[in-house]
Amino acid sequence: DQQVKQNSPSLSVQEGRISILNCDYTNSMFDYFLWYKKYPAEGPTFLISISSIKDKNEDGRFTVFLNKSAKHLSLHIVPSQPGDSAVYFCAASEGQGAQKLVFGQGTRLTINP
Amino acid sequence: GAGVSQTPSNKVTEKGKYVELRCDPISGHTALYWYRQSLGQGPEFLIYFQGTGAADDSGLPNDRFFAVRPEGSVSTLKIQRTERGDSAVYLCASSPTAADTQYFGPGTRLTVL
Repeated sequence: DQQVKQNSPSLSVQEGRISILNCDYTNSMFDYFLWYKKYPAEGPTFLISISSIKDKNEDGRFTVFLNKSAKHLSLHIVPSQPGDSAVYFCAASEGQGAQKLVFGQGTRLTINP
Repeated sequence: GAGVSQTPSNKVTEKGKYVELRCDPISGHTALYWYRQSLGQGPEFLIYFQGTGAADDSGLPNDRFFAVRPEGSVSTLKIQRTERGDSAVYLCASSPTAADTQYFGPGTRLTVL
């Protein structure tokens, strides 16, 4: 049972444009969400997070939107840069202090020059 | 400062053998986590340590898997009687406390022939 789903295995975006990565979840107990970025042969790197008490969190070029009623979140990257090419994982937990992260399958983002 | 390190980076073994995977967390981090990432999937939680004790081992798939952290720093994941289905990248993460962001190591790629 996949509790966190990223339905797009890959996404290709032109440099300078907006990248939108999507994530859906099924467990209504999830109340803290994170995005991790992963380059080949490296471990995932934390990017941005959002608590369920908010619907938006912004950090520089990265913004995460949360729609609790739809159990959906998205990561917006604008403007997209070649260094953003990586695999992006959505993750969720029951509470910010929860140690058990549940990850989606990942979306491979490619930024084309 | 130094990040999370994992050794070996690659391990090839034969079905039925015993393997040990090592994780050196970031100095001072009290919380340590093990995840497993199969091909095309996101990381899957295995076990979480707070200090020397395993606070949550609900993700360990069966009793062939065991992990220790005897001095509250380095951790070893032990797999007995390996099976081909154990082939995956084993990721370790640490955080200053259990409520903080998890920092991942580069992983150990285990291949069981």
